[in-house]
Amino acid sequence: RKEVEQDPGPFNVPEGATVAFNCTYSNSASQSFFWYRQDCRKEPKLLMSVYSSGNEDGRFTAQLNRASQYISLLIRDSKLSDSATYLCVAWWSGNTGKLIFGQGTTLQVKP
Amino acid sequence: EADIYQTPRYLVIGTGKKITLECSQTMGHDKMYWYQQDPGMELHLIHYSYGVNSTEKGDLSSESTVSRIRTEHFPLTLESARPSHTSQYLCASSEGGNTEAFFGQGTRLTVV
Repeated sequence: RKEVEQDPGPFNVPEGATVAFNCTYSNSASQSFFWYRQDCRKEPKLLMSVYSSGNEDGRFTAQLNRASQYISLLIRDSKLSDSATYLCVAWWSGNTGKLIFGQGTTLQVKP
Repeated sequence: EADIYQTPRYLVIGTGKKITLECSQTMGHDKMYWYQQDPGMELHLIHYSYGVNSTEKGDLSSESTVSRIRTEHFPLTLESARPSHTSQYLCASSEGGNTEAFFGQGTRLTVV
C-alpha cells in the first residue's frame, strides 16, 4: 500500500464545474498535510496547507478527516487555468521526518 | 518566489561520467530533499537531510549520494551515470518539522 494514495484520474471537467479530489494516508502519526499543484514539466508549488478545521482559499477548500485518514480538495467554478496535476502531501513522523507525496491527480478543464 | 536554486537546468552527458547536481537555498532552511520524477509520473524521495552533516536515504533506492556540509547547499552526485538515471531531479527545502517545502526548478538529466 502506498503511504499517500490518490486517484490519478484524469478528471476531465467543463469550465465552471465543481470537482473534488480525495487522498488517503497510511501513517496515523502524520501531523501536517498540504496540497501542491504541478504544471506540466514544472516544479510543484504549494497550493494550500490543510488544517484540521478545514480551510478555504477563494475557490479552493481543503478538508482533513483524521479518523478516516483522508484529505480532500474541492475546486469550485473550475477555470481552464486550473488544469494541472494536484499532489497530496503528508509530513511523515516528527522532527527528523520527511514529506511524502501522493502520485498526483490530473485535472483537465475543458471549455 | 522561493529562494532555492538548482544548476544546471538541463544536462546531457555520456554514460560513465561523474556528475554533480547543485542545489542551494538562501532561506536558512534546515531540511532539504531530493526527489526524482520521470515525465508524467510521481515524485520519489531519494535523499533528505535535516541539518548539517545529516543525510538519509529516501524511499526509492538510488545510486546517487548526497552531502550536507553547509546549511544552504545540498549537492547530489552520480559517480557513474547510466541511461537509467535519465530523469528530472527536484530539490526542495523546508524550514523545519511539519512545514511546507519549496522546490527548485529542477534539473533535467539525460544520459546517452
